[in-house]
Amino acid sequence: EDQVTQSPEALRLQEGESSSLNCSYTVSGLRGLFWYRQDPGKGPEFLFTLYSAGEEKEKERLKATLTKKESFLHITAPKPEDSATYLCAVQAGGGADGLTFGKGTHLIIQP
Amino acid sequence: KAGVTQTPRYLIKTRGQQVTLSCSPISGHRSVSWYQQTPGQGLQFLFEYFSETQRNKGNFPGRFSGRQFSNSRSEMNVSTLELGDSALYLCASSRDGLEAFFGQGTRLTVV
Repeated sequence: EDQVTQSPEALRLQEGESSSLNCSYTVSGLRGLFWYRQDPGKGPEFLFTLYSAGEEKEKERLKATLTKKESFLHITAPKPEDSATYLCAVQAGGGADGLTFGKGTHLIIQP
Repeated sequence: KAGVTQTPRYLIKTRGQQVTLSCSPISGHRSVSWYQQTPGQGLQFLFEYFSETQRNKGNFPGRFSGRQFSNSRSEMNVSTLELGDSALYLCASSRDGLEAFFGQGTRLTVV
């Protein structure tokens, strides 16, 4: 069974204080690993797709990396508007079960 | 470019009733997936439709069903509603079943 575990569950940072969110996964043949951002009362917003170990992608203050067992979402010099829940999801090679999501990391950036 | 549109945004139903939710995908996207999001279980995959055919199905009872029309619009139906069906129901569309873009969701409350 595919599993995704995200840590920490919650993280409070000061504005400008860089940190990383972790996503550990077990999947039978990774087809893709996805990062989403979700604001309260809204649907998840797509951020990144990573397909193979060693791959990295960046967008503004966010950088996602992937190894064979985990992915990290690095947040550099965050701003209050980066406050949200960050979700990690995987899709297995067969794609038979849709996306398997972790429970998310609730990130709060204090001014 | 218009995003994924879900209607209605909010619903209140009584136990035992049935409900139909609607999803219009991004233009050109042929894959539509449905997810249930609750505080306890997080995001869970319900099913995926591609070109009017159910391609994948998650581990939910038969009370949850769906369909997709020739214009790729999709509907999800839940019959004999239970209190535990209260959740945010999210629709996601993708071109090829990989990178999925979510709508804002339908908040269903069963009383």
